Amino acid sequence: TAGITQAPTSQILAAGRSMTLRCTQDMRHNAMYWYRQDLGLGLRLIHYSNTAGTTGKGEVPDGYSVSRANTDDFPLTLASAVPSQTSVYFCASSGSQGSTDTQYFGPGTRLTVL
Amino acid sequence: GQNIDQPTEMTATEGAIVQINCTYQTSGFNGLFWYQQHAGEAPTFLSYNVLDGLEEKGRFSSFLSRSKGYSYLLLKELQMKDSASYLCAVINSNYQLIWGAGTKLIIKP
Repeated sequence: TAGITQAPTSQILAAGRSMTLRCTQDMRHNAMYWYRQDLGLGLRLIHYSNTAGTTGKGEVPDGYSVSRANTDDFPLTLASAVPSQTSVYFCASSGSQGSTDTQYFGPGTRLTVL
Repeated sequence: GQNIDQPTEMTATEGAIVQINCTYQTSGFNGLFWYQQHAGEAPTFLSYNVLDGLEEKGRFSSFLSRSKGYSYLLLKELQMKDSASYLCAVINSNYQLIWGAGTKLIIKP
């Protein structure tokens, strides 16, 4: 199985432009997550979704929005990108949120905002 | 606040043994994960500990002491492919996953 896929692999974006990072999983997991990873810092949770139709804010949600129209897809949108959003973005999923279920990660999207 | 501490970087020799430590201060505890992350790749699951003691899985073992807020990952018979970052993460009482910054392990021949 593919597990979790993310697109694009990398992107250079002009400041002020909008962009949607795509994430799709085929494991029928209820919970999905978006993290950013910056050098010297741990993974930081941006937004999460317990199940289709619900979303929640993580540790660093400002400047980002998400939607969860179905079980498989969890896109992350930057409405007006700023240079501080330059990072590697990982999508993850687990059987359920609010549990001890293992999280499985997609390959990541490397985003540079100029 | 909640905090996970790991050494930033460690160096070891191929064929040797290395221990990567993780200490945590979190609001409650519901388990601890270790993940491996090769450069430019996604984190991948290595182990999960919720009870005190040592869990062995091939060349990798993970230890937990809840009373000390301490865990370590032990890697034996090191191979060059073990060069990677190792991430420690704790599930707190709200079932939030709190991540350490990771330990970069460099293996030398």
